[in-house]
Amino acid sequence: QSVLTQPPSASGTPGQTVTISCSGSNSNIGSNPVNWYQHVPGTAPKLLIHSDNMRPSGVSDRFSGSKSGTSASLAISGLQSEDEADYYCAAWDGSLSGRGMFGGGTKLTVL
Amino acid sequence: EVQLVESGGGLVQPGRSLRLSCAASGFTFDDYAMHWVRQAPGKGLEWVSVISWNSDDIAYADSVKGRFTISRDNGKNSLYLQMDDLRPEDTALYYCAKDVRGNIRLFRMDVWGQGTTVTVSS
Repeated sequence: QSVLTQPPSASGTPGQTVTISCSGSNSNIGSNPVNWYQHVPGTAPKLLIHSDNMRPSGVSDRFSGSKSGTSASLAISGLQSEDEADYYCAAWDGSLSGRGMFGGGTKLTVL
Repeated sequence: EVQLVESGGGLVQPGRSLRLSCAASGFTFDDYAMHWVRQAPGKGLEWVSVISWNSDDIAYADSVKGRFTISRDNGKNSLYLQMDDLRPEDTALYYCAKDVRGNIRLFRMDVWGQGTTVTVSS
């Protein structure tokens, strides 16, 4: 079971806005930047959002991130069929000797 | 072109060992921390291990601590994962990934390989 908690699934119709949540604790989200990855099975994961709310070059501005306390969210606006993928939040956890943490992943279906 | 290519996966019996390699090209390898991340069949991404640019700082997931060893050879632009005492639950697609910084705690991976498959079964 992941320390970072995400809903297992989300869905929306083309053009809609979908939000995916990620809940953690003081030792991870509460004290370290949150990153989001998009993963289409069979391909390499892609960095979508870094440092809570920053988009790497080349990532559509339809993707946005936010963080408050020990929770973070990824919003996808203007939903497109190509957005259908698995989405993972990730953060460093400073407890014990330190470790990387991924959320359990959210499978996004575009209806 | 920035590229990571994993190799060394295969079928192995429980309790045996396997060594994964990741060949890097297109960037200054010794500037960056490097990670191993895996995905078991039907499961999500699981972080495995990270090594800093100079190998001074290393961390492991609890699930592999004491059994897996990460290392790098900056002269050969290569990352390694020595996996000992393998278990069926280690069966997964193993990715290597480049961090954007040299230290290990940013956990921001901007380049990923295509992965190599490890199957642990008798």
